[in-house]
Amino acid sequence: IAGITQAPTSQILAAGRRMTLRCTQDMRHNAMYWYRQDLGLGLRLIHYSNTAGTTGKGEVPDGYSVSRANTDDFPLTLASAVPSQTSVYFCASSDDRDSPLHFGNGTRLTVT
Amino acid sequence: EDQVTQSPEALRLQEGESSSLNCSYTVSGLRGLFWYRQDPGKGPEFLFTLYSAGEEKEKERLKATLTKKESFLHITAPKPEDSATYLCAVQARGSNSGYALNFGKGTSLLVTP
Repeated sequence: IAGITQAPTSQILAAGRRMTLRCTQDMRHNAMYWYRQDLGLGLRLIHYSNTAGTTGKGEVPDGYSVSRANTDDFPLTLASAVPSQTSVYFCASSDDRDSPLHFGNGTRLTVT
Repeated sequence: EDQVTQSPEALRLQEGESSSLNCSYTVSGLRGLFWYRQDPGKGPEFLFTLYSAGEEKEKERLKATLTKKESFLHITAPKPEDSATYLCAVQARGSNSGYALNFGKGTSLLVTP
């Protein structure tokens, strides 16, 4: 089934550790995104990529980095995790500027 | 700055009791307004895109409408399986974030038998 695959589905991480959240899509979409979802704050954009080889910062980029080496993969790295990064992380993709975003089922991350 | 405000935050309906969810927005040039449904533990699932004031879209018991300041998601004769969180999002022309969507905080809908 075509779509977005995120891994892991959940993770408990000690503060200060490095972590990479994986996101792969098989729809050949040009644009990809990372959002975090927190109770009372909704979905907030962390980073985005309009096409392979380019990335941009969203609303809450601090503490996160991304890369887009190819069309299908868009990993999100936390270099040194902090408790405030406890959240549910969603990866999404879209075909072009007028297309809806398609979301994965998220990674639930707890930083202790 | 683009803003999306959804109301109410939570809504409880009896099965068959129709109602509407509101999404008010301010954006510097609307490219599109999107409605999503999100079930617990899942990612948002796309429902509708509206592009211009006066536009309407329908899907089963749901109908979305758009004006220059707000959008409504009308739910007619809801069933328990319509229980979910409904998210509204806008895409702005000339956004600094590419084609990304700016989301509201959602309305949590519970439909009881």
